[in-house]
Amino acid sequence: GAGVSQSPSNKVTEKGKDVELRCDPISGHTALYWYRQSLGQGLEFLIYFQGNSAPDKSGLPSDRFSAERTGGSVSTLTIQRTQQEDSAVYLCASSLGLGGVQETQYFGPGTRLLVL
Amino acid sequence: AQSVTQPDIHITVSEGASLELRCNYSYGATPYLFWYVQSPGQGLQLLLKYFSGDTLVQGIKGFEAEFKRSQSSFNLRKPSVHWSDAAEYFCAVGAPQGYNKLIFGAGTRLAVHP
Repeated sequence: GAGVSQSPSNKVTEKGKDVELRCDPISGHTALYWYRQSLGQGLEFLIYFQGNSAPDKSGLPSDRFSAERTGGSVSTLTIQRTQQEDSAVYLCASSLGLGGVQETQYFGPGTRLLVL
Repeated sequence: AQSVTQPDIHITVSEGASLELRCNYSYGATPYLFWYVQSPGQGLQLLLKYFSGDTLVQGIKGFEAEFKRSQSSFNLRKPSVHWSDAAEYFCAVGAPQGYNKLIFGAGTRLAVHP
């Protein structure tokens, strides 16, 4: 079946512009995660959605970052007024949402963001 | 706070040689432990995970990992490496108390010489 998909695969933007990154989770998965992978760094948790519950936004690095999940499926990560330090690969993952962190998270291929 | 350390940034092995990738974690109790692999241009794929029970865990692609509580380690091993194993490997921990995020190490990049 289809895995997690993300678009665009690459995005180049100018400093100060806003960007939107999209994630389509695996059908039927109620849990959705966003992570950021900066050059030479591990993955950094950003935000977690579970069904209709309030998202866990504890990993968002600043108020320029926001995310939403419409209809419990597709999610959009928005970065406003981008800065060069926002350049990274943004990864989305989904899981069934039945068993917490021990569930296998399935990752998309990521969106590589470059802020000039 | 939880943390994960992967001491080796780069490792190079010859094809057919054995492999051990190190992972140490910092956590007050036994966390959930994971190893993921990221091949070039691919998303992360779960290799194996440990929650409880037998401390030697078998995964996909011939990998195994051993949980050692006394050393706070969860090292990944493979007896004979194939060229296709060249990738970046990430160790991750998750807290059992209902937190849903994984804490990842910085990764170890594996190169395989023919």
